[in-house]
Amino acid sequence: AQTVTQSQPEMSVQEAETVTLSCTYDTSENNYYLFWYKQPPSRQMILVIRQEAYKQQNATENRFSVNFQKAAKSFSLKISDSQLGDTAMYFCASTLQGAQKLVFGQGTRLTINP
Amino acid sequence: GAGVSQSPSNKVTEKGKDVELRCDPISGHTALYWYRQRLGQGLEFLIYFQGNSAPDKSGLPSDRFSAERTGESVSTLTIQRTQQEDSAVYLCASSFSVFSTYEQYFGPGTRLTVT
Repeated sequence: AQTVTQSQPEMSVQEAETVTLSCTYDTSENNYYLFWYKQPPSRQMILVIRQEAYKQQNATENRFSVNFQKAAKSFSLKISDSQLGDTAMYFCASTLQGAQKLVFGQGTRLTINP
Repeated sequence: GAGVSQSPSNKVTEKGKDVELRCDPISGHTALYWYRQRLGQGLEFLIYFQGNSAPDKSGLPSDRFSAERTGESVSTLTIQRTQQEDSAVYLCASSFSVFSTYEQYFGPGTRLTVT
């Protein structure tokens, strides 16, 4: 079975700083996908970034990038030049190739302070 | 275009009552998912629908939970004889297809409180 673990319940940084959120996962499969979702107070889950396990290159979306370490089963999210609007819950999730359901971690509450 | 919508936004019910939660997926999306999010927790998969195929009900926590979807349109999640442990946010998502290459788009959720 897949499991996803986020070991940081809360994090707080100053605006414009860089912050890294940690995520580890466990799967016996070789083909899978990893995601970071953002959930602001509005409850709307928003996809931030995704990574296909077969790709060695780390995914990047503007200020958001990941450090994907397949052997270590680690998938951290780096937010550069953090903004007040980045304040939210962040969830790491995974799904197997060909599967349907997302498996989520417990989440990290990120606060960006002015 | 319109995103995934859910109704009601909030629902307070008494223990033992039945509730129905509604999800309107994005038009053209064949796959629809229900997740549950307990306070301070991540999302738990409940059920998914793909077109006219039999749904995957493997995540439903008990036989008090059921869901229906007609074709590729609206879905309803029904919880019978609600218990306080059912209090949570119920999130619906839809995607173009069930294949994991397609992004799941989430609705704003229904916050269910059982008193």
